[in-house]
Amino acid sequence: AQSVTQLDSHVSVSEGTPVLLRCNYSSSYSPSLFWYVQHPNKGLQLLLKYTSAATLVKGINGFEAEFKKSETSFHLTKPSAHMSDAAEYFCVVITSGTYKYIFGTGTRLKVLA
Amino acid sequence: EPEVTQTPSHQVTQMGQEVILRCVPISNHLYFYWYRQILGQKVEFLVSFYNNEISEKSEIFDDQFSVERPDGSNFTLKIRSTKLEDSAMYFCASRTSGGLMGEQYFGPGTRLTVT
Repeated sequence: AQSVTQLDSHVSVSEGTPVLLRCNYSSSYSPSLFWYVQHPNKGLQLLLKYTSAATLVKGINGFEAEFKKSETSFHLTKPSAHMSDAAEYFCVVITSGTYKYIFGTGTRLKVLA
Repeated sequence: EPEVTQTPSHQVTQMGQEVILRCVPISNHLYFYWYRQILGQKVEFLVSFYNNEISEKSEIFDDQFSVERPDGSNFTLKIRSTKLEDSAMYFCASRTSGGLMGEQYFGPGTRLTVT
């Protein structure tokens, strides 16, 4: 069965410093992985997706993620945090069959001025 | 850009009452989903719907829940007799075909509060 594990429930960074949000996956086949962001009282917005093309995926708002099969990881990074990046971030794996999403538990990113 | 819409944005209901949450998926999409997020918890899959029938449901989706696509545009989630623990944010999502590569597009959610 597919699953994702987000290793940090909370991450705090100072504005202008790099962001690293960690996600490990488990899948019996080559997975499709996504990162979504949820701002307070808002819906889910797709940041980026990996679907077995390039292992380094670029998304919106300067975020990117690298798929590492050897480490079963799909960590989300951004070189320089902005106050507007403060939100909840979800790592997601898609299942075969009905293509439902399996969500990680989320990482709340706090950006300090 | 097309988007998934959901109504109402917030619904307050009393325990034991029936509620219907409405979603309008993107028009050319074929797969439809409901998820829920209890406050402070992760997003959980409820049900998927394809070709006018349920294709998969989670253990959360018991006999109190039902889904319908009544008119080819709306996609509804009905909770027959709400419980306090049904209080959550409910998200509708849709996708076109595309196998494992196609992402789901989410609506803004309906916050359901059961008192």
